[in-house]
Amino acid sequence: GDSVTQMEGPVTLSEEAFLTINCTYTATGYPSLFWYVQYPGEGLQLLLKATKADDKGSNKGFEATYRKETTSFHLEKGSVQVSDSAVYFCALLIQGAQKLVFGQGTRLTINP
Amino acid sequence: DTAVSQTPKYLVTQMGNDKSIKCEQNLGHDTMYWYKQDSKKFLKIMFSYNNKELIINETVPNRFSPKSPDKAHLNLHINSLELGDSAVYFCASSQGRGRNYGYTFGSGTRLTVV
Repeated sequence: GDSVTQMEGPVTLSEEAFLTINCTYTATGYPSLFWYVQYPGEGLQLLLKATKADDKGSNKGFEATYRKETTSFHLEKGSVQVSDSAVYFCALLIQGAQKLVFGQGTRLTINP
Repeated sequence: DTAVSQTPKYLVTQMGNDKSIKCEQNLGHDTMYWYKQDSKKFLKIMFSYNNKELIINETVPNRFSPKSPDKAHLNLHINSLELGDSAVYFCASSQGRGRNYGYTFGSGTRLTVV
């Protein structure tokens, strides 16, 4: 079935470090891919998305490129801030399907 | 102005009780969802409604019953609550199947069964 696998957390970095959170997927069709972020005590917010191969989603300094050949959608940011501390979820949605499928989430902590 | 609002935000109740969680969206979306997030943060879909019609029911115990009086509302009623029902429940909505714009989530309802 369709699934998403994210790198194991927790991830701890210092402020201004480079961030990569790996995400790979298995899908029977051609999915749209998403990154959601969950700040402590809050709901999920859409961070960025890509709907077809080679698309790059970007928002708030975060980027992710839809790589069909490696079935990946890794999240990157060049210089993280303390305020980026949150849980990040990679997700996919198959065309014609009815549900967003999430990875297990990666907790990110940024130290000053 | 809240796009997807859930009430209550916190719910503490005893085993065996019946409780409801309400969800409303003002985005004009035609599809609504309930997701359950367990203690390890894993998110799993429970139900999906499109224009008041149930389209997904993911192997959820019969004690859970969603109700959609109109396309802006999707409520979740839980009978005979069990300890294992303790989780955060998220309501979400999307326009169509959400392929291009994703889902909009509420802030969650933390249910604690004691």
